[in-house]
Amino acid sequence: QQKVQQSPESLIVPEGGMASLNCTSSDRNVDYFWWYRQHSGKSPKMLMSIFSNGEKEEGRFTVHLNKASLHTSLHIRDSQPSDSALYLCAASTGFASALTFGSGTKVIVLP
Amino acid sequence: EAAVTQSPRSKVAVTGGKVTLSCHQTNNHDYMYWYRQDTGHGLRLIHYSYVADSTEKGDIPDGYKASRPSQENFSLILELASLSQTAVYFCASSDDLANYAEQFFGPGTRLTVL
Repeated sequence: QQKVQQSPESLIVPEGGMASLNCTSSDRNVDYFWWYRQHSGKSPKMLMSIFSNGEKEEGRFTVHLNKASLHTSLHIRDSQPSDSALYLCAASTGFASALTFGSGTKVIVLP
Repeated sequence: EAAVTQSPRSKVAVTGGKVTLSCHQTNNHDYMYWYRQDTGHGLRLIHYSYVADSTEKGDIPDGYKASRPSQENFSLILELASLSQTAVYFCASSDDLANYAEQFFGPGTRLTVL
């Protein structure tokens, strides 16, 4: 069964600092990764997705993907208190869009 | 933005009782999903559907049934609720290019089984 591992479990970042989150899949059939953000008491919302090797940037958020190692990372620069949330990595094999989620990284940005 | 609604938003059920969670989407999406989330953890897929009147098992289907009577509606049924089914349940939908389509989540239903 596909498994998605995220690290670290939690992360404390000073306001204005950089947060780096990691995610790896153990399923060689995975070909698409997603990052969702979930604020406390809310539903997950898609942040970014990536399926090609390399890097993708959107504002303060950058995602990297290494398909050979099935590793993706999310970097948040100039972190803001509003970035405090649970960040969920998900992977799919393209079939029926069924996603497998990791356990998440809890990010706390301290003012 | 996609609109997915869930009802009820919270529910307290007794062990052994029947629970039905409902999900409604107004986006004309073909794919719908049910996930559960345990406190502080990720989401696990219970059931999903890509067409009305058909459902598929996800990763943790035991103890749950699903029903998709129409494109807009997707229900999750717990015939005999158990303590271990206490969790937050999220419904999601995505469009028919679903292999690489974003999933839109409802607000969630907090279920407590006593």
